[in-house]
Amino acid sequence: QTVVTQEPSLTVSPGGTVTLTCASSTGPVTSDYHPNWIQQKPGQTPRAVIYDTNRKHSWTPARFSGSLLGGQAVLTLSGARPEDEAEYYCLLYPTTVRVFGGGTKLTVL
Amino acid sequence: QITLKESGPALVKPTQTLTLTCRFSGFSLTASAVGVAWIRQPPGRALEWLGIIFGDDDRRYSPSLKTRLTITKDTSGNQVVFTMTNVDPVDTATYYCAHVTDYSHDYWGQGTLVTVSS
Repeated sequence: QTVVTQEPSLTVSPGGTVTLTCASSTGPVTSDYHPNWIQQKPGQTPRAVIYDTNRKHSWTPARFSGSLLGGQAVLTLSGARPEDEAEYYCLLYPTTVRVFGGGTKLTVL
Repeated sequence: QITLKESGPALVKPTQTLTLTCRFSGFSLTASAVGVAWIRQPPGRALEWLGIIFGDDDRRYSPSLKTRLTITKDTSGNQVVFTMTNVDPVDTATYYCAHVTDYSHDYWGQGTLVTVSS
């Protein structure tokens, strides 16, 4: 079964920029994997941030963006705010099923 | 406005079958491009994708749990039913259902915590 790998934790300063990555055990992540990024704050329900690599939901702040780089899916946060502190999960579509990564705990400090 | 809400037992005994219902509104589960997925999260751990049912009744399951899962839909009642057989304490988790379309798991239910214990 596909294993999706993310950084366990990252720290960014308020106002800074950080990139979160998402890799697949099956090979390079391409647009065919339709990467999603899901945000979950402590004690809260997950919230979709990015879908289909780089598409934003109506509620997604402009400071979040998605892309592909070096065979990985990437979530970039530019101008981090304290309220962006959360766990971020990557979700890939490697086949007809979907697979979550282990999540990245993002600290804004 | 799309909303989803999970319901079911809070406590299930080992070896029993877990049945959860996802009641939704704001969309119709009749088109092949629309689906309802199930995801779970053990306490303090990561999200795990379990399966999905589409409006055309196509279903996909996580390979590791495929033999234990069944997802069905009742379009007239706007609900999806999730069953997991032979539960074990490791199946203790918050179970979520989510609306899926256009390669997005966009709207999520609030989740329901299920504890497996004798």
